[in-house]
Amino acid sequence: GEDVEQSLFLSVREGDSSVINCTYTDSSSTYLYWYKQEPGAGLQLLTYIFSNMDMKQDQRLTVLLNKKDKHLSLRIADTQTGDSAIYFCAEQNYGQNFVFGPGTRLSVLP
Amino acid sequence: DADVTQTPRNRITKTGKRIMLECSQTKGHDRMYWYRQDPGLGLRLIYYSFDVKDINKGEISDGYSVSRQAQAKFSLSLESAIPNQTALYFCATSGTLRGDSYNEQFFGPGTRLTVL
Repeated sequence: GEDVEQSLFLSVREGDSSVINCTYTDSSSTYLYWYKQEPGAGLQLLTYIFSNMDMKQDQRLTVLLNKKDKHLSLRIADTQTGDSAIYFCAEQNYGQNFVFGPGTRLSVLP
Repeated sequence: DADVTQTPRNRITKTGKRIMLECSQTKGHDRMYWYRQDPGLGLRLIYYSFDVKDINKGEISDGYSVSRQAQAKFSLSLESAIPNQTALYFCATSGTLRGDSYNEQFFGPGTRLTVL
């Protein structure tokens, strides 16, 4: 079945860039998403990318998609303490259900 | 007011008890979902509903049942709770954005369930 994998933990220093990586198996994925979960809260959509794109930039966030390798990354520039959270990668085949990765816990050190 | 609400937010229960978790949404979305979150496993889909008369099993439906009482309400039941159902449960809705065909999921705040 479909699978989405991520490393579970990442620590960075405040002001540095963070790069969170994700791999997925479903080659027919139409959309790929990054969700953020802050402590005690549900997930919120950060950004998404359509499968025919290879890059999307939104302020401090840059999403890179390598469809050949089924690899997705999220880069957060100038990481702040408020960026500390769990980040979930998710993929979706159009009209179907979402498949989430296990989440990467980002810790931002002062 | 929150678009997706869940009640209760926290619940402690005993093995063998029946428990219901409720979800309501004001997004007007047809699609609703129940997930459970366990550390290191991410979100796993329990049940989903694409409209009021449509109920589908997800990846881990055993031990759970659902009811879609209305477009805005989707409840999850544990008929006889067991300790390995201790987890964080999320309800979500999804819809299609105007002018774009992708689906954003909107999550409730979660219900922390502990089964002793």
